[in-house]
Amino acid sequence: QSALTQPASVSGSPGQSITMSCTGTNSDVGSFNLVSWYQQYPGKAPDLLIYEVSKRPSGVSNRFSGSKSGNTASLTISGLQAEDEAQYYCCSYAGSSTLVFGGGTKLTVL
Amino acid sequence: QVQLQESGPGLVKPSETLSLTCTVSGFSITSRYYWGWIRQPPGKGLEWIGTIYHRGNTYYNPSLKSRVTISIDTSKNQFSLQLRSVSATDTAVYYCARDVVLEEVHAYYFDSWGQGTLVTVSS
Repeated sequence: QSALTQPASVSGSPGQSITMSCTGTNSDVGSFNLVSWYQQYPGKAPDLLIYEVSKRPSGVSNRFSGSKSGNTASLTISGLQAEDEAQYYCCSYAGSSTLVFGGGTKLTVL
Repeated sequence: QVQLQESGPGLVKPSETLSLTCTVSGFSITSRYYWGWIRQPPGKGLEWIGTIYHRGNTYYNPSLKSRVTISIDTSKNQFSLQLRSVSATDTAVYYCARDVVLEEVHAYYFDSWGQGTLVTVSS
């Protein structure tokens, strides 16, 4: 069970859209629609952004959206805002009641 | 509104056992949700440790399975983590979190987290 692969960093300017990837295998991301995304600010606990690939919990801005193609899940943030600067983690069900996280992506708002 | 709070020693000696408790308030631990532990070494990413259901069903990260035990105390609305034979690589912020069930199906995501507690392994 290896960690999902996320780019170490992505950046964008305010108002732009960015997409970050989360690549797994056909044993996790590719086989189950059970990918979730979390936002984490320094020194804080993660917050849920997306679950089941593309569903947003109540209270999460519709600027955040998720998708999946094959073994790669993606998180898109539209209308980038300064407050979006944070660390982002993906997580996938990996079979046999286990979970695997990605290494995280740091989003910088220029 | 559910709240989770981790508690336990902040310093553990190498080769000893790390023990943490998560106290759940505002929500019954015997409700249909699962309960999980996740850790984050300083400056690094998140790692799932394991999950428990109130009936005692437990699921562990294969890489930690030989050293981990997660248990639940429904009378205290708490669940606990024990990690044996710790070393410096187990130094991390440890989080407890609620793992969701939707329409009777385990959905495998965490919708509520504790604030986390730093555990340092050092002599």
